[in-house]
Amino acid sequence: DVQMTQSPSTLSASVGDRVTITCRASHSISTWLAWYQQKPGKAPKVLIYKASSLESGVPSRFSGSGSGTEFTLTISSLQPDDFGTYYCQQYESYSGTFGQGTKVEI
Amino acid sequence: QVQLVQSGAEVKKPGASVKVSCKASGYTFTNYDINWVRQATGQGLEWMGWMNPNSGNTGYAQKFQGRVTITRDTSISTAYMELSSLRSEDTAVYYCARRLYYDSSAPYDYWGQGTLVTVSS
Repeated sequence: DVQMTQSPSTLSASVGDRVTITCRASHSISTWLAWYQQKPGKAPKVLIYKASSLESGVPSRFSGSGSGTEFTLTISSLQPDDFGTYYCQQYESYSGTFGQGTKVEI
Repeated sequence: QVQLVQSGAEVKKPGASVKVSCKASGYTFTNYDINWVRQATGQGLEWMGWMNPNSGNTGYAQKFQGRVTITRDTSISTAYMELSSLRSEDTAVYYCARRLYYDSSAPYDYWGQGTLVTVSS
């Protein structure tokens, strides 16, 4: 099974900061990677799919990049509503392993 | 509008089984795979398994092989996840999520509201 490793585990930043979260796969997954945001008590919400495609309705300050085993999620200018936990997910095959999450504190 | 509505919270004893339902509406049920993901309190997301409602084909995470069964009833657009031999570590919120089956780039775009399963003696 593909293992996904995210860093950092926790991130504290200020409004307006540029924020980057990294996700590494244990073996190449091409660009079969998605990013989700989860707020407390809520289901996850997809932000990015296929490594760099922005989901409809998601603000353009979110962007994704990478391929193979290294991926990044960037928030260009952190907003108050961006607090929460972010997860990467590989979906190379029918399985869907998640990273352990990155908690973003404003 | 698209909705995935899950069944209510459950309390089970160790060794028992639980069956959680996920009723789809607002789209063609057979066009989207249903995935099951769980989350223990304060922990991350854990993928459990997948089903194609059209074919009935399933796939499960190795960790849950032999304990989890995903089924569906296409007549009522509902998917089910049954987990057996429950232990305290299975206490978690269980989510269903859909994924467009014929687009390999598609993510999980709609999720159920989650079902809390508590395993306690």
